[in-house]
Amino acid sequence: KNEVEQSPQNLTAQEGEFITINCSYSVGISALHWLQQHPGGGIVSLFMLSSGKKKHGRLIATINIQEKHSSLHITASHPRDSAVYICAAGSSNTGKLIFGQGTTLQVKP
Amino acid sequence: GAVVSQHPSWVICKSGTSVKIECRSLDFQATTMFWYRQFPKQSLMLMATSNEGSKATYEQGVEKDKFLINHASLTLSTLTVTSAHPEDSSFYICSAGGRHTEAFFGQGTRLTVV
Repeated sequence: KNEVEQSPQNLTAQEGEFITINCSYSVGISALHWLQQHPGGGIVSLFMLSSGKKKHGRLIATINIQEKHSSLHITASHPRDSAVYICAAGSSNTGKLIFGQGTTLQVKP
Repeated sequence: GAVVSQHPSWVICKSGTSVKIECRSLDFQATTMFWYRQFPKQSLMLMATSNEGSKATYEQGVEKDKFLINHASLTLSTLTVTSAHPEDSSFYICSAGGRHTEAFFGQGTRLTVV
């Protein structure tokens, strides 16, 4: 079993839909990161969470430390949101990022 | 926000030659940088941790003589793929931060060895 598990692996949505991507982890973390990778390969940091909830525009990220679970929500999804979304746990032991498998999101117009 | 700049963004080289990839932190000092490799449709795989002024720490299975890492200053880490072969063709990306701070990634380098 991977230390960081994401679901779903693939997600297709219609424009305007509310989207949720889930992440469960089994390691001790200093922070949980949500990243966005575009088709060209570039990676952008969306959120860094150690507790609670953060919101940036149409994106919301939550984390439940007790349950070791985090979610990324996209409200009013748009085709430009199409990308791979990656959950990464910052290990409190090593400082390294442990990556989930990624969720490939396609938003259709 | 902090920016990590990686060059080149793509490179094609002949088998047997060496390729150097640079990763610079533009507005902050990075004592530690991470180098990853990513195959198509797979997640990032950590290759090594680059430490300023000391030897890099390589992950199990990564050949340190093949993937040379130098972190001579607080703003520059380099990865040199020596004697490249077609199986080294991949997407290489560096990052800084991530433990108690936001993680910043370079733009990535797509290496094709022909």
